Amino acid sequence: GQQLNQSPQSMFIQEGEDVSMNCTSSSIFNTWLWYKQEPGEGPVLLIALYKAGELTSNGRLTAQFGITRKDSFLNISASIPSDVGIYFCAGSLASKLTFGTGTRLQVTL
Amino acid sequence: GAVVSQHPSRVICKSGTSVKIECRSLDFQATTMFWYRQFPKQSLMLMATSNEGSKATYEQGVEKDKFLINHASLTLSTLTVTSAHPEDSSFYICSAWGLAGGPGHNEQFFGPGTRLTVL
Repeated sequence: GQQLNQSPQSMFIQEGEDVSMNCTSSSIFNTWLWYKQEPGEGPVLLIALYKAGELTSNGRLTAQFGITRKDSFLNISASIPSDVGIYFCAGSLASKLTFGTGTRLQVTL
Repeated sequence: GAVVSQHPSRVICKSGTSVKIECRSLDFQATTMFWYRQFPKQSLMLMATSNEGSKATYEQGVEKDKFLINHASLTLSTLTVTSAHPEDSSFYICSAWGLAGGPGHNEQFFGPGTRLTVL
């Protein structure tokens, strides 16, 4: 099945640093979503973007829906240890989700 | 937010046996549920879309006779892995499609996953 290209694949950062990850696709999506998954659990929705160009924040998280509808980025500001996990982007079309390859985030004190 | 449960959370079975996994939407009705499979250190891959009262739609490469899906009610979908083999060992995650609270903004609510290990 199709997967979206997500980068970076993994990141090691220090607590307090800002984090940026992005997702690109060869096809257009109507909705972009960002999820966080912790080991042994299902993904949890962080941010949903419904309109091209939309910039949305949720606490320390900010995400944007690219103008071309083929990309999105997620920023996390002032990272904390509990930000550790795997972050997935997902594009939605006709209720079906296509997931990105994931970004594994490790935060050191 | 809406809650989706899965049962069991983990199962170990012998090769050749069948395993049934349940997915329930606890506080909302879901006409559509989705089943995903996730291998270690990989992303979620959609296996099939399950619609209440009708046959599931399988993604390319997913064997419908091996992964039987039943969506008999608006709150329950089941995935049965028939004649399971070690290569079927994976993390199976369901999601339910429901109204997220914002007008016109449905979203998928994910279950906690089921870890299947086939010996």
